[in-house]
Amino acid sequence: DAGVTQSPTHLIKTRGQQVTLRCSPKSGHDTVSWYQQALGQGPQFIFQYYEEEERQRGNFPDRFSGHQFPNYSSELNVNALLLGDSALYLCASSFLGPGEKLFFGSGTQLSVL
Amino acid sequence: SQQGEEDPQALSIQEGENATMNCSYKTSINNLQWYRQNSGRGLVHLILIRSNEREKHSGRLRVTLDTSKKSSSLLITASRAADTASYFCATGFGNEKLTFGTGTRLTIIP
Repeated sequence: DAGVTQSPTHLIKTRGQQVTLRCSPKSGHDTVSWYQQALGQGPQFIFQYYEEEERQRGNFPDRFSGHQFPNYSSELNVNALLLGDSALYLCASSFLGPGEKLFFGSGTQLSVL
Repeated sequence: SQQGEEDPQALSIQEGENATMNCSYKTSINNLQWYRQNSGRGLVHLILIRSNEREKHSGRLRVTLDTSKKSSSLLITASRAADTASYFCATGFGNEKLTFGTGTRLTIIP
């Protein structure tokens, strides 16, 4: 049983470019959340998708957008990249509901030059 | 913004010793979770404690929760080299919009 898979593992972009990160949830999970983790910090919530809809959103600008597909996989898109967007981007999947733990992927390390 | 603060920020102990790390948070919660992160990669869920629970055990892990003080502690007994990692507390309502603390970097010295 595959866990949460993310691609690519590493990515280098320049300021102003756009990037798409991908996530496949753990088998059977219907909810995908995205987190941004800056170096030396804890993960910060970007948004959560369920039934192809964005359910919740953290304090991130509209440059950050996402999508969930019918097979529950998800994409995170970031437009007009800034140097400050350099971080580890983590995808987590779960069942929707209280008390359900998150299963995290290994993340995509994004560097913006 | 970070909801919680872990204390200490870094901890080094000898293998076999117990490690204790603390987490303080700011707002009301209905559960608190602890996660481990190895080498800056994916996080692994360790344990969840609900707001109506005071203590919970899982293997070598013991978690306490004091909602009046808005604090939690994670105790790892009989530490092993493989326990070297960063540990984060996370608060929220279920798995929705978890808010993570800043983490404790634990180093186990063989």
